[in-house]
Amino acid sequence: QAQLVQSGAEVKKPGASVKVSCKASGYSFTRNAIHWVRQAPGQRLEWMGWINAGNGHTEYSQKFQGRVTITRDTSASTAYMELSSLRAEDAAVYHCARDRSAWDPTFGLDVWGQGTTVTVS
Amino acid sequence: ETTLTQSPAFMSATPGDKVTISCKASRDIDDDMNWYQQKPGEAAIFIIQDASTLVPGIPPRFSGSGYGTDFTLTINNIESEDAAYYFCLQHDNFPLTFGQGTKVEIK
Repeated sequence: QAQLVQSGAEVKKPGASVKVSCKASGYSFTRNAIHWVRQAPGQRLEWMGWINAGNGHTEYSQKFQGRVTITRDTSASTAYMELSSLRAEDAAVYHCARDRSAWDPTFGLDVWGQGTTVTVS
Repeated sequence: ETTLTQSPAFMSATPGDKVTISCKASRDIDDDMNWYQQKPGEAAIFIIQDASTLVPGIPPRFSGSGYGTDFTLTINNIESEDAAYYFCLQHDNFPLTFGQGTKVEIK
C-alpha cells in the first residue's frame, strides 16, 4: 500500500530556511509526481509546487517562486521541500502528496503524507 | 487562478442523516474535481476522483456529482466515523486550488 511519511515538526527563526522530507513506500517512486501543499492556521490549503520524481523537473507556484526548492533522491525514494527566508506567515502544516500521474497533465492527488508543522518564531 | 468556494464551513449531523457539501469553481473545470477527508493528525484520504467516481475502498455512502462549475459531495446515512474535515481540489489548471474546507461534526 502506497504511503508517504514526512519528517517531524520544525521550529525556525525568521529569516532561516526549513527542509521537510517525504519518504515514499509501497510503490515505484519514479512513476508518480509529488506535490507540496501547505495549510496555515484558519486558512485553506495552498499549492506550492511539484516535482517529476522520474526526471527531477519542477514547477512552482508564482507565490513561492524564488523561495521554494523541491528536490528528490530516487535512491532513497524521498522528496524534499526547502523554503527559505522564513517569515511568521510561513507558519503552517506542510504536506506532500502523490499525483495520480507522472507529470502534466495532473490527475490530482491521491496519497498524502501526514503533514509537518513548521513554526516560525 | 481558479477559486473554489466551498460551503458550508461547518455542519453538525445526526447519525443516519444525509449530508451535502458544495464546491463552486470560478471557471469551468470540466470534471477535474477531487474530494478528500481528513481527520486531525492524520493524512488526508482520497474519496472521490474526477467529480463522481468513488475511490476504491471508500464506503458507497459517499458520492460525488457535478460538472463544469458546480460540484457536490454527498454522504448518505452518515456515521460517527465520518466526523472529519472535507475539502475539494481542482486539478484542471495550475495553480491547483482548494476549497476552504468543511468541518463535519456528528452529534
